[in-house]
Amino acid sequence: EDQVTQSPEALRLQEGESSSLNCSYTVSGLRGLFWYRQDPGKGPEFLFTLYSAGEEKEKERLKATLTKKESFLHITAPKPEDSATYLCAVQARGGSYIPTFGRGTSLIVHP
Amino acid sequence: EPEVTQTPSHQVTQMGQEVILRCVPISNHLYFYWYRQILGQKVEFLVSFYNNEISEKSEIFDDQFSVERPDGSNFTLKIRSTKLEDSAMYFCASAKLQGDNQPQHFGDGTRLSIL
Repeated sequence: EDQVTQSPEALRLQEGESSSLNCSYTVSGLRGLFWYRQDPGKGPEFLFTLYSAGEEKEKERLKATLTKKESFLHITAPKPEDSATYLCAVQARGGSYIPTFGRGTSLIVHP
Repeated sequence: EPEVTQTPSHQVTQMGQEVILRCVPISNHLYFYWYRQILGQKVEFLVSFYNNEISEKSEIFDDQFSVERPDGSNFTLKIRSTKLEDSAMYFCASAKLQGDNQPQHFGDGTRLSIL
C-alpha cells in the first residue's frame, strides 16, 4: 500500500529561524509529489509540484526538493504569516492519478 | 486568480437528513473531485468526475453518496441519509488536466456537522 509520512507532526520556530519539513513516501513509482499549504478552516492551497529526483522549486521563503524516497520543504527566515499546516501528497504510478495525502506538519512561527 | 468556491461554509443537519454540498469549480477546468477531512485526520479522496460521469471513487463513497453536475458551472455532492460519522470538512477540487504532475486546486470547504 502506498504510504506518505510527514515529520515532524508539529514545529515551532522563532521568526527568522530556518528549518525543514520532511515528506517520505513509499510508492511503486512516482508520478508527482505536491506540496500544499492549509490555513485553519481553509482548503489546501497548491504550492509546488515535483516530479524527478534532484528537482527543486522555490517560492518566496519556501524551497521544495525531491529525492527518490523523500521531499523536503525548506523554510528560510520564516515569518509569522508562514504559520500553517503544510501537506504533502503523492501521486503513484499505476491506474489512478489520485494523490495520497500525508497528515501534514503544523508550523507555528513566533514573532 | 480564479478559485474554487464552495457553499455553504457550514452546514448543520440532523442525522438521517439529506444534505447537498455545492461547488463551483474553476471555469476552464475539466476534472472535478470531492475529498473529506475528519477533524485532525488527513485529507481523504471520495470521488472524481469527468465528462459528466464518475471516473473513480473510493471505498468511502458508498450508496449514500452521489455527485452531479446539474449545469455548466455547479458540481454537487449529495449525502442521502446522513450519519454522525459523516461530520467532517468536505473539499471540492478541480484540475485543468489529469495526469502526471497535474495539481488539483481546492476550495475552502464546507464544514458538515451532523447532530
